[in-house]
Amino acid sequence: IAGITQAPTSQILAAGRRMTLRCTQDMRHNAMYWYRQDLGLGLRLIHYSNTAGTTGKGEVPDGYSVSRANTDDFPLTLASAVPSQTSVYFCASSLEGGNTDTQYFGPGTRLTVL
Amino acid sequence: GQNIDQPTEMTATEGAIVQINCTYQTSGFNGLFWYQQHAGEAPTFLSYNVLDGLEEKGRFSSFLSRSKGYSYLLLKELQMKDSASYLCAGLDSNYQLIWGAGTKLIIKP
Repeated sequence: IAGITQAPTSQILAAGRRMTLRCTQDMRHNAMYWYRQDLGLGLRLIHYSNTAGTTGKGEVPDGYSVSRANTDDFPLTLASAVPSQTSVYFCASSLEGGNTDTQYFGPGTRLTVL
Repeated sequence: GQNIDQPTEMTATEGAIVQINCTYQTSGFNGLFWYQQHAGEAPTFLSYNVLDGLEEKGRFSSFLSRSKGYSYLLLKELQMKDSASYLCAGLDSNYQLIWGAGTKLIIKP
């Protein structure tokens, strides 16, 4: 592994189903982030974690949950998917959070909720 | 409110120079980032400015004016591979990035 990986690459999901998007980084970065990217809008922060064991809410957290059991992994769960959650989801990481460190992005997961 | 404005789309010719502008309004300010995003790919870091002035990095330069809430990305000697979206993002007082919608740059031969 080099950098950040995300799985799955893409997924079509029925509304109401539960889904977990996976994100793993091997850079030993302390901070990790989940964003969604929708056409015509900027990236919007869903949740973040500045260090293992802690998480925080971003701009659009409703309908999503995260956990940070260790440094490398930061899964994003949609408990009951709705069509408005159709989007491209990017995981990112930075050396530290709460400062000016550059964020590095994974390849993204394209999610369609029908 | 917090806001980042940048043009939706620009077109330029291979070999030419293009300037992509960005204006920002954030709650507090801890710097301005530019990222490049090719279609279907992840954003990749280009530059970070926190002080006024121009920072040059090869064919790409980034400028910041804090008093005007304004930044631009300057791309010289355009190549076809520069066709991408360019994302401007301001770092607010909580060190969260506020993102613009991106400028799609189309390069024509």
